[in-house]
Amino acid sequence: IAGITQAPTSQILAAGRRMTLRCTQDMRHNAMYWYRQDLGLGLRLIHYSNTAGTTGKGEVPDGYSVSRANTDDFPLTLASAVPSQTSVYFCASSDRINNEQFFGPGTRLTVL
Amino acid sequence: GQNIDQPTEMTATEGAIVQINCTYQTSGFNGLFWYQQHAGEAPTFLSYNVLDGLEEKGRFSSFLSRSKGYSYLLLKELQMKDSASYLCAVIDSGYALNFGKGTSLLVTP
Repeated sequence: IAGITQAPTSQILAAGRRMTLRCTQDMRHNAMYWYRQDLGLGLRLIHYSNTAGTTGKGEVPDGYSVSRANTDDFPLTLASAVPSQTSVYFCASSDRINNEQFFGPGTRLTVL
Repeated sequence: GQNIDQPTEMTATEGAIVQINCTYQTSGFNGLFWYQQHAGEAPTFLSYNVLDGLEEKGRFSSFLSRSKGYSYLLLKELQMKDSASYLCAVIDSGYALNFGKGTSLLVTP
């Protein structure tokens, strides 16, 4: 692994289903983030983690949960997907909370 | 709340210079980033300003005025591959990164 990876690349999901988007980084960065990007709205922060074992809410956290059991992984879970969660999801990491963020390739999620 | 404004779209000619402006009103300030994002790809880091003044990096330069809540990204010797979205992002007092909606730049021959 080089950098930050996300899985799946894309997914079509029925409304009401549970879905976990995976994010893994091998840069030993302390901070990790989840964003969603929607046309006309830009990148919006969903949840973040300053360090393993801690998480915080961003601008649009409702309907999403995260965990940070270790430094490398930061999964994002949609407990019961709704069509408004159709978006492109980017995971990012940085070595400190106010440093340059490196972005994963994104997951394109469609909820029908 | 946070407010970060950028023009929605700009068009410039190959070989020319273009300036993309960003104004911000945030609760505190801990730095400003510019990212480039090509269609269908992830954002990539271009520059970081935390003090007033101009930061130059090759064909790209970024300027910051904290007292005016203003930054610009200057792209020189434009190339076709510079067609992309340019995202201005500000770190506020809570160390959250707040993104503007991005400026879509089209470089024409």
